[in-house]
Amino acid sequence: GQNIDQPTEMTATEGAIVQINCTYQTSGFNGLFWYQQHAGEAPTFLSYNVLDGLEEKGRFSSFLSRSKGYSYLLLKELQMKDSASYLCARSQAGTALIFGKGTTLSVSS
Amino acid sequence: KAGVTQTPRYLIKTRGQQVTLSCSPISGHRSVSWYQQTPGQGLQFLFEYFSETQRNKGNFPGRFSGRQFSNSRSEMNVSTLELGDSALYLCASSYLTSGATGELFFGEGSRLTVL
Repeated sequence: GQNIDQPTEMTATEGAIVQINCTYQTSGFNGLFWYQQHAGEAPTFLSYNVLDGLEEKGRFSSFLSRSKGYSYLLLKELQMKDSASYLCARSQAGTALIFGKGTTLSVSS
Repeated sequence: KAGVTQTPRYLIKTRGQQVTLSCSPISGHRSVSWYQQTPGQGLQFLFEYFSETQRNKGNFPGRFSGRQFSNSRSEMNVSTLELGDSALYLCASSYLTSGATGELFFGEGSRLTVL
């Protein structure tokens, strides 16, 4: 995805904490999304950040720094079902999102 | 409440043919956007419709077109298919009004294979 960078793959074990980083081009920034996509399924919404700071939602948290063009998704108490692709996306205009290529997370026991 | 419905789910075409994909958004959602997903490029924005008007368009050739009907259902068409058009085409709907940004609800996608 243009102007969005995130690691291609990450591995972790059950019960651990993992942080998936995302950097983006700041010009025209209108908000930062995280989506989860299991293999063969549709992407599902995880979080939306428009202001700086940390948003916590259960085991998942998302952080945004607008000045640095940086976000991360923090997953706690990892479970096997968290194995999926995590997509970082910045809002451009309306519902037009620019997606990163996704980070494939593999959780092992 | 039914989710976003896309048809067909799978289809195979040959080079030079054209294809039409359909999307029914969640009831009450007036914004529909289309994305192409490939292993190499990830998810790429195609276009967005709101109240039957194309509001935004991504960087795709003119072979890719779409429209939205008065009931918010949308179709996208790809003409003169090329091998590189093989991809998962995802439709997403949103309840937000024109100009706003918010959560997208994705359909399961239409997987197109071009031979």
